[in-house]
Amino acid sequence: SAVISQKPSRDICQRGTSLTIQCQVDSQVTMMFWYRQQPGQSLTLIATANQGSEATYESGFVIDKFPISRPNLTFSTLTVSNMSPEDSSIYLCSVPRTGGVGETQYFGPGTRLLVL
Amino acid sequence: SQQGEEDPQALSIQEGENATMNCSYKTSINNLQWYRQNSGRGLVHLILIRSNEREKHSGRLRVTLDTSKKSSSLLITASRAADTASYFCAFREGAQKLVFGQGTRLTINP
Repeated sequence: SAVISQKPSRDICQRGTSLTIQCQVDSQVTMMFWYRQQPGQSLTLIATANQGSEATYESGFVIDKFPISRPNLTFSTLTVSNMSPEDSSIYLCSVPRTGGVGETQYFGPGTRLLVL
Repeated sequence: SQQGEEDPQALSIQEGENATMNCSYKTSINNLQWYRQNSGRGLVHLILIRSNEREKHSGRLRVTLDTSKKSSSLLITASRAADTASYFCAFREGAQKLVFGQGTRLTINP
């Protein structure tokens, strides 16, 4: 199994500022996923980050707002830029169990963000 | 893009009782997965059922899948306080994207 850690675990930020969330995996993975979970809601995929290429963003999410880095096969960052209270959510990174289609995913513990 | 629909949204039962939650979807799937989330933390995979399977067991978990009705159910038998969590169904949309249902918040009362 993959062990995923995220930093920070939680943060309180002022509107207009930016926060960078780190995701570290204990094994090399091709794909990493970033999800947002708004309060009391389900998970929504923000983007898929492949090492060595630009991240692929889902509808409703743009690179200027959520820039992603993927410098190597075990690490990724998600930045939430120019934050507003609507960005208050849990942000989770995730990796496929084996990388194959249809396989399950491992999730990090999440970063709980509150924007004031 | 679509989300799966789950019901009930919330379920509160006594310890020892069985809990059943349902998931419906609209697309064709190769498999359907169930995840648990404790207190807004990371998700943990519970069980995967393939489209050619009708029922699958794992410990106190029983999952059924009816592809003709595009629905699945998760049964937790002999519930325990530690089962208190949110449960999400999930399925693949397209090649890679995992889509989650809206979730069922389960509370087990001692």
